Amino acid sequence: QKEVEQNSGPLSVPEGAIASLNCTYSDRGSQSFFWYRQYSGKSPELIMFIYSNGDKEDGRFTAQLNKASQYVSLLIRDSQPSDSATYLCAVKVPGNQFYFGTGTSLTVIP
Amino acid sequence: SQTIHQWPATLVQPVGSPLSLECTVEGTSNPNLYWYRQAAGRGLQLLFYSVGIGQISSEVPQNLSASRPQDRQFILSSKKLLLSDSGFYLCAWSVLRLAGKNEQFFGPGTRLTVL
Repeated sequence: QKEVEQNSGPLSVPEGAIASLNCTYSDRGSQSFFWYRQYSGKSPELIMFIYSNGDKEDGRFTAQLNKASQYVSLLIRDSQPSDSATYLCAVKVPGNQFYFGTGTSLTVIP
Repeated sequence: SQTIHQWPATLVQPVGSPLSLECTVEGTSNPNLYWYRQAAGRGLQLLFYSVGIGQISSEVPQNLSASRPQDRQFILSSKKLLLSDSGFYLCAWSVLRLAGKNEQFFGPGTRLTVL
């Protein structure tokens, strides 16, 4: 399988701070990049996707992509306790497969 | 809007018993369909994907199989379960919009415990 690497954490940030989550991938042909949020016992929920180099902002979330460095990141501004979850990075390679990292556990401390 | 269903939600099965998990998608046509397994505390492992009826690609050789008898139905099966088959089974769908641009969405999952 294609490798997608994430720091497993746990990552703890105080409420209102910026949480920064990182991901690297091995397949240079990867076309699309995704961040999912997964609460304990639930299925993953798509929160951000990015296809081109640079930044993409959606509300409190910013995804950053650097294809030359094979690096994707997610910034969560003004972190809230409800953001506490595991965040999964995923990439789509040429063809139809999606590959996932093992996830980073985030805890936002009130 | 699109909806994806999985059942059952939870399942406890003895080792050596058969398995059938079902996934259906509503509100879209000709989706790509996927089966993943997530072991406790682990990431998602792609098991099978399908781009059309009867077309199944396997990622990991094992005692599981998949079938797609209808456009929006995807079934995961096993003839004899192993302890290592325990996990959270997730079905997902995606639709290709433009070259390389397609998001993937997950169903609610089936939690399988093999005893």
